[in-house]
Amino acid sequence: EAQVTQNPRYLITVTGKKLTVTCSQNMNHEYMSWYRQDPGLGLRQIYYSMNVEVTDKGDVPEGYKVSRKEKRNFPLILESPSPNQTSLYFCASSSHGGGGTDTQYFGPGTRLTVL
Amino acid sequence: ELKVEQNPLFLSMQEGKNYTIYCNYSTTSDRLYWYRQDPGKSLESLFVLLSNGAVKQEGRLMASLDTKARLSTLHITAAVHDLSATYFCAVRINQAGTALIFGKGTTLSVSS
Repeated sequence: EAQVTQNPRYLITVTGKKLTVTCSQNMNHEYMSWYRQDPGLGLRQIYYSMNVEVTDKGDVPEGYKVSRKEKRNFPLILESPSPNQTSLYFCASSSHGGGGTDTQYFGPGTRLTVL
Repeated sequence: ELKVEQNPLFLSMQEGKNYTIYCNYSTTSDRLYWYRQDPGKSLESLFVLLSNGAVKQEGRLMASLDTKARLSTLHITAAVHDLSATYFCAVRINQAGTALIFGKGTTLSVSS
């Protein structure tokens, strides 16, 4: 089954404790992205990657890091989480190409609470 | 500043009625996406609109795109309860399709 998976799905942590949210896709997609969703703000892009070892900042990259060492994986790293990073996080992937094939497929989401 | 604005943000409808959600965007783009999100769930792709004048329909939903007016609409025909969800439009801002700007979403509630 084609899917984007995220782990963990729920996480409660404390300020300053480094954490990683993993994202993996099995569709051989080149493109992967991370978004955060906050009430009243919709989805905002954090980082995206166009291929292995190629990443770029989205709208709200501060406080986050990413890496793309393998095509299928795109982890999101919070080196020193703060309460304002409490949010619902989504990973997404898409393939290269036109004709609508670049539709992004979203993972199930990770609900993060930073105390 | 790049903006994608949806109207209305909240919509309460009666079953059987028609309504339209509007998505205005402030930057040039040739591709617009509509997504659906059920409460507590992820986003599901509904439509990808590729060019000016594009129209796509799926069941009771029809989406259109006017790139000159920078406007997309999502029309709901004869609403049913199952359509209750939050609908997002998103505009791509790079050719790779990797950078998307989302609207804030329209939460639709359909009641009998």
